[in-house]
Amino acid sequence: GESVGLHLPTLSVQEGDNSIINCAYSNSASDYFIWYKQESGKGPQFIIDIRSNMDKRQGQRVTVLLNKTVKHLSLQIAATQPGDSAVYFCAETSNAGNMLTFGGGTRLMVKP
Amino acid sequence: SQTIHQWPATLVQPVGSPLSLECTVEGTSNPNLYWYRQAAGRGLQLLFYSVGIGQISSEVPQNLSASRPQDRQFILSSKKLLLSDSGFYLCAWSQGLARGTEAFFGQGTRLTVV
Repeated sequence: GESVGLHLPTLSVQEGDNSIINCAYSNSASDYFIWYKQESGKGPQFIIDIRSNMDKRQGQRVTVLLNKTVKHLSLQIAATQPGDSAVYFCAETSNAGNMLTFGGGTRLMVKP
Repeated sequence: SQTIHQWPATLVQPVGSPLSLECTVEGTSNPNLYWYRQAAGRGLQLLFYSVGIGQISSEVPQNLSASRPQDRQFILSSKKLLLSDSGFYLCAWSQGLARGTEAFFGQGTRLTVV
């Protein structure tokens, strides 16, 4: 669910390492999930999505894993680069697919 | 291709003044439209969404309102701004999340109420 009142947790990784960002959701009726990347001062940008009939989806250097049993979503970034530094949000749909609710977000910092 | 425009990019307004932020979408029809607010270092809070002209759903009670006078136009307003209204306001559109298409965001308006 939403955690808009909390400061963003930070994940710090070394350049070239893999990153794993986690997200918990609360609505068991949600059936579509999206990961967004937000750079400072900009709007969120789509990274990858997954529907609830899947448990894994891969993109270019990114993989999303969905565990519906425990309502958990993760984003894996392979060979993390400095350009990956940003805030990452998971989002879920609810209310017959018209609402998009965001998780609290995680700040990823990549050390060169 | 579809584009979303949001303006102004930054805005400084005194407490008690009115507000009008505008968002327009091009290249699509009958989109779902959304207004989000983001406080500094925080997540995104859904304020309003609209599935059609004149149809507004409010998620958070506050002194803000939204209107959709045209299919691809979404306006966020306030009659009297409060200090707590400061934040980063984001407009977004989607062609139907239920069909598995993501929402696209504008570049945001940074509002500072002084």
